[in-house]
Amino acid sequence: GESVGLHLPTLSVQEGDNSIINCAYSNSASDYFIWYKQESGKGPQFIIDIRSNMDKRQGQRVTVLLNKTVKHLSLQIAATQPGDSAVYFCAEKPNNTDKLIFGTGTRLQVFP
Amino acid sequence: GAGVSQSPSNKVTEKGKDVELRCDPISGHTALYWYRQSLGQGLEFLIYFQGNSAPDKSGLPSDRFSAERTGGSVSTLTIQRTQQEDSAVYLCASSVGGDTQYFGPGTRLTVL
Repeated sequence: GESVGLHLPTLSVQEGDNSIINCAYSNSASDYFIWYKQESGKGPQFIIDIRSNMDKRQGQRVTVLLNKTVKHLSLQIAATQPGDSAVYFCAEKPNNTDKLIFGTGTRLQVFP
Repeated sequence: GAGVSQSPSNKVTEKGKDVELRCDPISGHTALYWYRQSLGQGLEFLIYFQGNSAPDKSGLPSDRFSAERTGGSVSTLTIQRTQQEDSAVYLCASSVGGDTQYFGPGTRLTVL
């Protein structure tokens, strides 16, 4: 069945370093991908998205890379800060639906 | 502007009771989604409403779950005869059309 998975359940980085969170997706018909950040006790917060006709998109301190050949998505966070500590979810949207399929999440821990 | 709001923030109920969870989407958003998040897990799609179209109910786990969206705005998710396995955080999201979904803070449901 359809699935979106993450390679690393927990990622620990030092403040100031760059972080890379990876995600594999299985549905080649997906045309839209999105990253969310979820802090404890809160709903997911939109970070950045990318469509399947692109392979890279940049935001403020964040970059999303899409490799459709290997069905891989990554989120890069530059100069990671303590406030970046959270669980990060990738999600995909197949082109025949509006519902999102989420992965199980990666916890990012930032230490001083 | 105001984001997606949900109420109650927490709900504790006894097994077998019915519960109603409410979602107020962002004003002007035509699409509304319900997801469920079990402890430490990703989000599981339940149902979504898009304008006046028939809702996509494909994610509802059983016929004990139902949802309504009145007047194209507020939505209520109802769980009848609650079971312990229904315990989770129920998240609502809204979007303009079918792209970026903005989430509310969720309702944490505990079934004793």
